[in-house]
Amino acid sequence: ETGVTQTPRHLVMGMTNKKSLKCEQHLGHNAMYWYKQSAKKPLELMFVYSLEERVENNSVPSRFSPECPNSSHLFLHLHTLQPEDSALYLCASSQVDEINYGYTFGSGTRLTVV
Amino acid sequence: EDKVVQSPLSLVVHEGDTVTLNCSYEVTNFRSLLWYKQEKKAPTFLFMLTSSGIEKKSGRLSSILDKKELFSILNITATQTGDSAVYLCAVGGSYNNNDMRFGAGTRLTVKP
Repeated sequence: ETGVTQTPRHLVMGMTNKKSLKCEQHLGHNAMYWYKQSAKKPLELMFVYSLEERVENNSVPSRFSPECPNSSHLFLHLHTLQPEDSALYLCASSQVDEINYGYTFGSGTRLTVV
Repeated sequence: EDKVVQSPLSLVVHEGDTVTLNCSYEVTNFRSLLWYKQEKKAPTFLFMLTSSGIEKKSGRLSSILDKKELFSILNITATQTGDSAVYLCAVGGSYNNNDMRFGAGTRLTVKP
């Protein structure tokens, strides 16, 4: 484990389902992120929470809804997804400071939308 | 528009070979460049580079940054099958935002 825990590891859901991805970090970081990783594409930043405040949305469809109740927990609520949303969803955390110290990633949730 | 370009996209070598992976970038307000190794799921941190010309080294891996020409290289000497992975380059471009832009990665396969 890297200090960032994601659950579930795998998720299969229908297009009409509602599910949530969970991320928890034990590193004392003050920023958390959701990334989407599709096959043969760069990691795409979806949401950033810095000091528990959302600072970037990046035009993500509204069927993805983030929630950050505190600096250690991050959720991604999913509803009425499309098959093209199937991907690896990675959570990361970092310490926001003058320098980008880099992220610590979780192991990801492999999402399949059927 | 900010971008990070890695090359090659994939590479197949034999154990003992030396490889060089490339990362070029165009990012406003450059802060740092990072290399990650992704084997199965979670990318793991390798190096962070902020200054030009200073080589970072860890075992058989080394990396250097050229801020004038806007690129970095990652070298792996005496490759082993355990080096097989996707190597990701990320560039941090904004102070206080901590946003990082990733390249598409280089998939390295090391054959016995």
